[in-house]
Amino acid sequence: QDQLVQSGADLKKPGASVRVSCKASEHTFTTSGVTWVRQAPGQRLEWLGWISPYNGVTNYALKFQGRVTMTADSSTRTAYMELKNLRSDDTALYYCARDYPLVHAFDIWGQGTLVTVSS
Amino acid sequence: EIVLSQSPGTLSLSPGERATLSCRASQIVTSYLNWYQQKPGQAPRLLIYDTSNRATGIPARFSGSGSETDFTLTISSLQPEDFAVYYCQQRSNWPTFGQGTKVELK
Repeated sequence: QDQLVQSGADLKKPGASVRVSCKASEHTFTTSGVTWVRQAPGQRLEWLGWISPYNGVTNYALKFQGRVTMTADSSTRTAYMELKNLRSDDTALYYCARDYPLVHAFDIWGQGTLVTVSS
Repeated sequence: EIVLSQSPGTLSLSPGERATLSCRASQIVTSYLNWYQQKPGQAPRLLIYDTSNRATGIPARFSGSGSETDFTLTISSLQPEDFAVYYCQQRSNWPTFGQGTKVELK
């Protein structure tokens, strides 16, 4: 069954970096993109970017360019999202989701990873 | 950036009633309008893709319609498990989401 399993919650200080992992099934890794979305308290869902695990092509939201890096390791079927130079307003639930080309939508979601940025 | 505005912010209804949720875009949506449901403590779940297609396993009481800048999600007869927050999402240029409509028990 296709599913995405994310790493656990993380607490970081301002200025630090965080890396969130997202382990996928074989089918997902070979057929779909992986998108990253975050949900800050009281805010709407916000798209950070996308990676094709098949060839490593990425597409980042303008807002996060220069601060976010998305990678994928096909040997472990794991996608990663690293966000640098963290600020308090980066505190949010970070989700990975499968970007399935047949529906052009995010059809399977990870359980979410809470990243808290606090001194 | 295309901004999606959802209305109403909160919809208070009883089980069995019809729910009509609106999503308005700041520009014409040229590429795929999708709807998601989110319950407390859970990740979003895809309901409708490409304006009107139900995702796998989604009951027929959920339907989507619309075009250009105005889109609607309709739940024909609310079931107890449908009380949740609903988000629209588009992917022209890059994906953006609406602010959500909460469907709550009256």
